[in-house]
Amino acid sequence: DAGVIQSPRHEVTEMGQEVTLRCKPISGHNSLFWYRQTMMRGLELLIYFNNNVPIDDSGMPEDRFSAKMPNASFSTLKIQPSEPRDSAVYFCASSQTGLNTEAFFGQGTRLTVV
Amino acid sequence: AQRVTQPEKLLSVFKGAPVELKCNYSYSGSPELFWYVQYSRQRLQLLLRHISRESIKGFTADLNKGETSFHLKKPFAQEEDSAMYYCALSGRGYQKVTFGTGTKLQVIP
Repeated sequence: DAGVIQSPRHEVTEMGQEVTLRCKPISGHNSLFWYRQTMMRGLELLIYFNNNVPIDDSGMPEDRFSAKMPNASFSTLKIQPSEPRDSAVYFCASSQTGLNTEAFFGQGTRLTVV
Repeated sequence: AQRVTQPEKLLSVFKGAPVELKCNYSYSGSPELFWYVQYSRQRLQLLLRHISRESIKGFTADLNKGETSFHLKKPFAQEEDSAMYYCALSGRGYQKVTFGTGTKLQVIP
């Protein structure tokens, strides 16, 4: 397995534009997480899916952010409209329910909103 | 609610000196604790987990339930240990993984 795959690796967009980040979890994993990493706040959990169902979205900063998981092998995080303060690295991670619930991370998407 | 606190944003030590990265947690139940590491320009990866009681790259971490701590230790720091370290918590049977804000370890040659 190639691990968690995220696209794009880098995204530069203008303020006000819509941004869509994509994630393919590891096959067989039933939990998926979206995190945002910034210098100031470290790694923040935005939303967490289990069996494609959003379980906890309390970390989603505001209504401009939305996430979907239409099937077990794909998830998106959308920001509309984007703002400069959304600039960060966004990580997707997946894990398998059970003991030793290690989360496997993608390489992240570095988003810059100008 | 589950919470992970890493009080130090940056820890600088000299090569060969001991290292201790602090982590405290809050969780009403039996947690699973982890340390993740992110080397420069690489993805986050698991370093070690408390349930395994293992030593990885010379690092160890002991879960202290009385103090609700899971500090990461290494007796002699090496330059290649310079990285960002995150402490993480997961509740058993509940898969949400909560991370601390991270500590940047800088090993000075």
